[in-house]
Formats: sequence, C-alpha cells, structure tokens
Amino acid sequence: DAEITQSPRHKITETGRQVTLACHQTWNHNNMFWYRQDLGHGLRLIHYSYGVQDTNKGEVSDGYSVSRSNTEDLPLTLESAASSQTSVYFCASSDREAPLNTEAFFGQGTRLTVV
Amino acid sequence: QQPVQSPQAVILREGEDAVINCSSSKALYSVHWYRQKHGEAPVFLMILLKGGEQKGHEKISASFNEKKQQSSLYLTASQLSYSGTYFCGTEIYRGSTLGRLYFGRGTQLTVWP
Repeated sequence: DAEITQSPRHKITETGRQVTLACHQTWNHNNMFWYRQDLGHGLRLIHYSYGVQDTNKGEVSDGYSVSRSNTEDLPLTLESAASSQTSVYFCASSDREAPLNTEAFFGQGTRLTVV
Repeated sequence: QQPVQSPQAVILREGEDAVINCSSSKALYSVHWYRQKHGEAPVFLMILLKGGEQKGHEKISASFNEKKQQSSLYLTASQLSYSGTYFCGTEIYRGSTLGRLYFGRGTQLTVWP
C-alpha cells in the first residue's frame, strides 16, 4: 500500500545544531508540504513543493529550508535549531493531477525538542 | 489567511449532535475537514468544492456557503470514536497554489458515554 513516512519520530537536539527531518511518500504525488503543529496554533505551513526542483515558502519559513530532488522525498532542514522550533512536524502529500480532490495524506509526525 | 474555527471546544454525550464552523476572509476554492486523535496524524474526512461538489463520511456531513466563505461540519448522533480535534483547511485557488491548505486552530471534540 502507498504511504507517507517520516523519520525520526522523535528527536532531541541542541540549540545551534543543524537538523534534517525526512519525509518519504510512495503515492507518487507531486504536492508535498511541511507543517508544524503547536498548541493553540493548529497546523502552520512551513514550506511546500509542487514537483521536482520546485520549493516555496509558507507562513512560517524562517529558519527552515527544503529541497526536492525526486518525487518521493522532501527533507526539511533546520539550519540552526532554536528553542522556538520545538514542535511536532507533519509532512503531507496530495495529488496535483486530481483538481477536484486534493486530499492531503499526512505522515505520523516528528516530535522535535530543541534544548 | 488562517481560517477561524468555532467553537474551540465541544463536550458531548454519546448520541448528541454537534456543529463546527469555519470561516475565511478570502474567496475559497475548497474547504477540507480533518480529524486528529491525540498523538496521531490528521485524517481526511471530506472536501467541499466551490460549485457544490461534496464528499461525505458516515454520519458526518458538511456545508459550504460560497457567498459567506463559511463551512460547517455536522456530526450527527455522535459516537465515542468521534472524539478528537477537528481542523478545517481552506484552499485558495490562484492557478499555481492548488492544493495549498491553510488550517484553522482546531476544535477539540470530546464525547462522553
């Protein structure tokens, strides 16, 4: 079955370190998204991609970067981790070729703690 | 551009009905509804498209008022399994932004036996 997986599921890192969160989907979806979820804020969009070599900034992109070298993967990098980036991160994908139904499929999330 | 959800929290007895509202200040192409249980990923419930196309899910239905840019989610005869946080995601179609969702802050629904 097609799926979307994130790794690691939990990560503790120190302030100032570079961290990369992985996201891999086997849906063959063109659209991929990274969200962060914080209590009281819901899901906020960090970066997104509509295809290989395409990346775009979302609402809260400062301090984050992504790259899309193939259809399956969209890794999220925190350039220099800060305590304010402690959060739960969700990756999602959707089918751009189905304009009437862009249902998003979410990964299980990565809980990141910056100490 | 984040949509506004109300109420923030709902507590129900099993079998009661609930309505969750979502409103946007932007013209919308579609509204998505997701449910998230504690510690899990959000799961798609349904999508409402501009022009009236809709998909449903069991005893859960929704409406989309295109003039007011508002959507409501209706949970009928609630079950214990309905407990969770409900999010609306709004999609503003501007050609290249299809699929990009702005999510509300969520409505926490608790169903008691």
